[in-house]
Amino acid sequence: DAGITQSPRHKVTETGTPVTLRCHQTENHRYMYWYRQDPGHGLRLIHYSYGVKDTDKGEVSDGYSVSRSKTEDFLLTLESATSSQTSVYFCAIRGGSGAFFGQGTRLTVV
Amino acid sequence: KQEVTQIPAALSVPEGENLVLNCSFTDSAIYNLQWFRQDPGKGLTSLLLIQSSQREQTSGRLNASLDKSSGRSTLYIAASQPGDSATYLCAVPGGTTSGSARQLTFGSGTQLTVLP
Repeated sequence: DAGITQSPRHKVTETGTPVTLRCHQTENHRYMYWYRQDPGHGLRLIHYSYGVKDTDKGEVSDGYSVSRSKTEDFLLTLESATSSQTSVYFCAIRGGSGAFFGQGTRLTVV
Repeated sequence: KQEVTQIPAALSVPEGENLVLNCSFTDSAIYNLQWFRQDPGKGLTSLLLIQSSQREQTSGRLNASLDKSSGRSTLYIAASQPGDSATYLCAVPGGTTSGSARQLTFGSGTQLTVLP
C-alpha cells in the first residue's frame, strides 16, 4: 500500500471551532488532494497541492483552507466548523503510478 | 472542464456472472484513467491505471479498456464473486471548475452487489 496516513481518523467537534486534519505521505509525490465524500454527492475536491506552498481551490473550497510547508504533509483546516461540514474527508496523493487514498477521517460537527 | 459519468449507479448480479461497468468523460485530452474500489466505510483502493497510450490493462479477473476518442472506459469483471461487492469508481485528470490536469475528477460510482 502507498504510504499515506490521515489523522485523526475520527473527530467530533462543536460548531464554530477550528479543526485541522493532517495528511502525511512517505512517497514524495508532488500532488496531494483533499476530498469530502457525502451521500448523494460522491467525491468532491476541496483543495489540492502541486508542490510545497503551491495550492489551489477545488469545487467546494468555501470554509476550508490548506497548507503545505513540507512535501510530506498537507493540512486541511476548517476555519469555523459548521454542521454542513460533517462528512468523511479523504486525502489522496498522485504520482506516475496513479492516485492513492488515505483511510479517511470521519468528522462530525455538533 | 471535466465531467465523469458512471452508469449504472447500481447493479446486482448472481455469482459467477461476467459484468461490465461503464465510465464516460467529457474532456478526452486525458493522459490516463484509473479505476478504484471502495468498500463500505473504507477508503478507495486502486485497481487499475490505464495510460492514454494503452487500450487495455488487466489484473487477475479485472480488465479495463480505454477509448479516448469516444470518451469511454469499461471495467470488465469475470466470474464475479460475492467478495467483489463494493462501489467502483473511475477517475480522470481534469477539474469540474477548471480544465487543469492537476486536478482529479471522479464519477459517482457503480454500487455492485454479487449475490451468492
